[in-house]
Amino acid sequence: GAVVSQHPSRVICKSGTSVKIECRSLDFQATTMFWYRQFPKQSLMLMATSNEGSKATYEQGVEKDKFLINHASLTLSTLTVTSAHPEDSSFYICSARGVMNTEAFFGQGTRLTVV
Amino acid sequence: EDQVTQSPEALRLQEGESSSLNCSYTVSGLRGLFWYRQDPGKGPEFLFTLYSAGEEKEKERLKATLTKKESFLHITAPKPEDSATYLCAVLSVSGTYKYIFGTGTRLKVLA
Repeated sequence: GAVVSQHPSRVICKSGTSVKIECRSLDFQATTMFWYRQFPKQSLMLMATSNEGSKATYEQGVEKDKFLINHASLTLSTLTVTSAHPEDSSFYICSARGVMNTEAFFGQGTRLTVV
Repeated sequence: EDQVTQSPEALRLQEGESSSLNCSYTVSGLRGLFWYRQDPGKGPEFLFTLYSAGEEKEKERLKATLTKKESFLHITAPKPEDSATYLCAVLSVSGTYKYIFGTGTRLKVLA
């Protein structure tokens, strides 16, 4: 149980275009979802927290107009990187927590490369 | 301020050489302490949740323990497939529902 599926696993896009990453909880209802960014050999950097049906709460320094987060249902959250630039290239990971859990479960991650 | 510190940063072991990873934490009220395993290019995989001092959890060659100030992840007779980065995180009872992660321990087990 507690499976979180994240797609795509890899994406290459051109500078100036937008990319959408999906995060789905497959066997539980995710009341809260988290989006992280991870740089090589570094730990997870929390970007934002989203609760179903509410606006996401962004961490300080994260541009909410650039990283659009939608948590439209209890099983799906999306992160859209708008007008992507090479500096947005990174590993993005989502996690989800159900109402009955204190632990969060992670997706497989998405490697974004902006060229 | 809630904080998590993991040590060592990196650890190389020979196959079969048991060791422990440390996670020291300061938190205003512990809701839970979590251990994850992360392989390169993958998302973290959940291992354990510990809630209170004295609690222990085991899974195969791994055993996690918890005190009021730190947690240990004991690895008994490790195998090369145990090579990964091990992350520790805490969740506080106060404030927002946010997980505070340590920077991880990169474990390499040599055959």
